[in-house]
Amino acid sequence: GQNIDQPTEMTATEGAIVQINCTYQTSGFNGLFWYQQHAGEAPTFLSYNVLDGLEEKGRFSSFLSRSKGYSYLLLKELQMKDSASYLCAVYLYGQNFVFGPGTRLSVLP
Amino acid sequence: DSGVTQTPKHLITATGQRVTLRCSPRSGDLSVYWYQQSLDQGLQFLIQYYNGEERAKGNILERFSAQQFPDLHSELNLSSLELGDSALYFCASSVETSGAYNEQFFGPGTRLTVL
Repeated sequence: GQNIDQPTEMTATEGAIVQINCTYQTSGFNGLFWYQQHAGEAPTFLSYNVLDGLEEKGRFSSFLSRSKGYSYLLLKELQMKDSASYLCAVYLYGQNFVFGPGTRLSVLP
Repeated sequence: DSGVTQTPKHLITATGQRVTLRCSPRSGDLSVYWYQQSLDQGLQFLIQYYNGEERAKGNILERFSAQQFPDLHSELNLSSLELGDSALYFCASSVETSGAYNEQFFGPGTRLTVL
């Protein structure tokens, strides 16, 4: 079967840096992406990693290690508006998608 | 605003009934994806269509079916509804050319409540 794990909840302070981890065990791997979802809203795309290494995009960076089945999303200079759920998802061969349970991040003043 | 539209926004119906959810992708996007998000199961991929043809299938029940029309809008049909089908149903679209992954843009969702 397919399994993706993320911490359920995290809390951080405004201006700080937070790292949200994601581990996966899937049959087939075609890439990993991260989405942000505010409560009651649609997910919005943050990043997509297909090769090992770090992808940086402004305040957000995403890292992938395929050999370890591991990814993380790094958020710098946290803002109150970053309070949201962060979804890790694996893109499988056959163009299927499996999402993790999501990590609810609370940013405190 | 992602450019993806979904109707209706809310739908309340009874067990055993059938409903149809509609999605219009962003202009120029050929691929449409359907997702179900419930409190206990998170976001689940249901099915993908590309230019009118089924491309990938996820955890979609046999009671559910979808299609994509020549104008590229898509409909998700849910029949013999059960209480457990209550969820937020998202549609997403992407350009999806040459089998390469492209960023998906999500619509605002349809909240289905089955009583």
